[in-house]
Amino acid sequence: AQSVTQLGSHVSVSEGALVLLRCNYSSSVPPYLFWYVQYPNQGLQLLLKYTSAATLVKGINGFEAEFKKSETSFHLTKPSAHMSDAAEYFCAVSEGSASKIIFGSGTRLSIRP
Amino acid sequence: DADVTQTPRNRITKTGKRIMLECSQTKGHDRMYWYRQDPGLGLRLIYYSFDVKDINKGEISDGYSVSRQAQAKFSLSLESAIPNQTALYFCATSDPGTGNEQYFGPGTRLTVT
Repeated sequence: AQSVTQLGSHVSVSEGALVLLRCNYSSSVPPYLFWYVQYPNQGLQLLLKYTSAATLVKGINGFEAEFKKSETSFHLTKPSAHMSDAAEYFCAVSEGSASKIIFGSGTRLSIRP
Repeated sequence: DADVTQTPRNRITKTGKRIMLECSQTKGHDRMYWYRQDPGLGLRLIYYSFDVKDINKGEISDGYSVSRQAQAKFSLSLESAIPNQTALYFCATSDPGTGNEQYFGPGTRLTVT
C-alpha cells in the first residue's frame, strides 16, 4: 500500500528566500504524486501533479517539484517566497485509478517579512 | 459557480444530535469522497464511493454513515454526534484518468458541544 511522509509540520522562511517543502513516498507501482495547497478558511486546491511524464513538474504560483525515483521523493520548491504563499501544503500519492489517494499530514508554511 | 459545493459551511450542534452534511458536484465525476481534517493529522478518509451503487469505508468510518443519492450527491451523517467529531469536513470528487486527482469542496466546520 502507498504512503507519504512530509518532513516538518511547520516551515518558516523570509520573504524572497527559497521555499523547500519535503515529501517522501512509498509505492509498490509507479505512483501519481500531487501537491495541494490550502489557504486559510478554504478548501484544498491542486498546485501540481506528477503522472509519469516529465520528472520536473511546474505548477501554479511559481512552484515546482521534482520526482526522484531513487530517493522516493517529490519535494516542492519555489525560488523566491511571497507573503501570499503562507498556507498549508499537502503532498499526496496514488497508485492509479483503482487506488485511493493518500495524503501527508501537511506542512504549514509561514513567510517572515 | 463552484464545481463542488457543501452545505452547511458551519454548524454547531449538541452531543447526541443527528446531523447531515451534504455535498453536490457538477464535474460529472462518478467518484466522491468524504474526508475529515484535524490539526496535525492531515486529511483522513471517512467514506468513498466509486459510483452510485458503490460505498466503501475509509480509515475512520466509525460513527459516520453516508448516502449516495445520485451521481452528483453524496451525504455524510453523524447519527449521534460526539465532541471528538468536531473537525473540518471536506467532500471531494476525483478523475480516475489522472490517478484520482481530487477536487475539493470548501469544507464544513462542525463543532459538537
